[in-house]
Amino acid sequence: QVQLQQWGAGLLKPSETMSLTCAVYGGSFTGYHWSWIRQPPGKGLEWIGEVSPSGGTKYNPSLKSRVTTLIDTSKNQFSLKLTSVAAADTAVYYCAMSYDSTGSFDYWGQGTLVSVSS
Amino acid sequence: SYVLTQSPSVSVAPGQTARLTCGESDIGRKSVHWYQQKPGQAPVLVIHYDGDRPSGIPDRFSGSNSGNTATLTISRVEAGDEADYYCQVWDNDRGIFGGGTKLIVL
Repeated sequence: QVQLQQWGAGLLKPSETMSLTCAVYGGSFTGYHWSWIRQPPGKGLEWIGEVSPSGGTKYNPSLKSRVTTLIDTSKNQFSLKLTSVAAADTAVYYCAMSYDSTGSFDYWGQGTLVSVSS
Repeated sequence: SYVLTQSPSVSVAPGQTARLTCGESDIGRKSVHWYQQKPGQAPVLVIHYDGDRPSGIPDRFSGSNSGNTATLTISRVEAGDEADYYCQVWDNDRGIFGGGTKLIVL
């Protein structure tokens, strides 16, 4: 059974860079697609971006200029960086796994609340 | 841009059938995935590829997709089914979620 465990700083000031990491346990790491998804308080889900098994990336156009996703196959981990954060970036951030590039998000991390406040 | 439209809420009595819809032009040409999210928890996949159930999901959950509407059907609704439900597709290499439907069990 695949498990995703994520961590990162939960409180940031405006203009800082958010950094989150997601580790994969209990299954193969290679060959799958790894996404980040966020949910502002009381609102719906927003897909942020994806890193493919080859390291290729796809990003939400609305966030593309500020997002970087990386994969570290040696550690079975992938990461998210979001630069120049603002209050509007306050959300619960989830990591998730897909079996292919147009598939469902079959496994999710537990979520990390990131708050941006001065 | 591709926008998935879901009703904000659906109410149903226990034991009845709930039908939650997800609309967009020609959505029938895409694969639709559905997630259940309870308060304070991460979403859980309940239907993928329009109508396939992942392992562990009760057969009370089913899905269909045709034309401009995808539908998640929950039969014999139970109190524990009360949750937010989101549909999701891929469009032009971008993951897109609907706004979510809150299922209220009366």
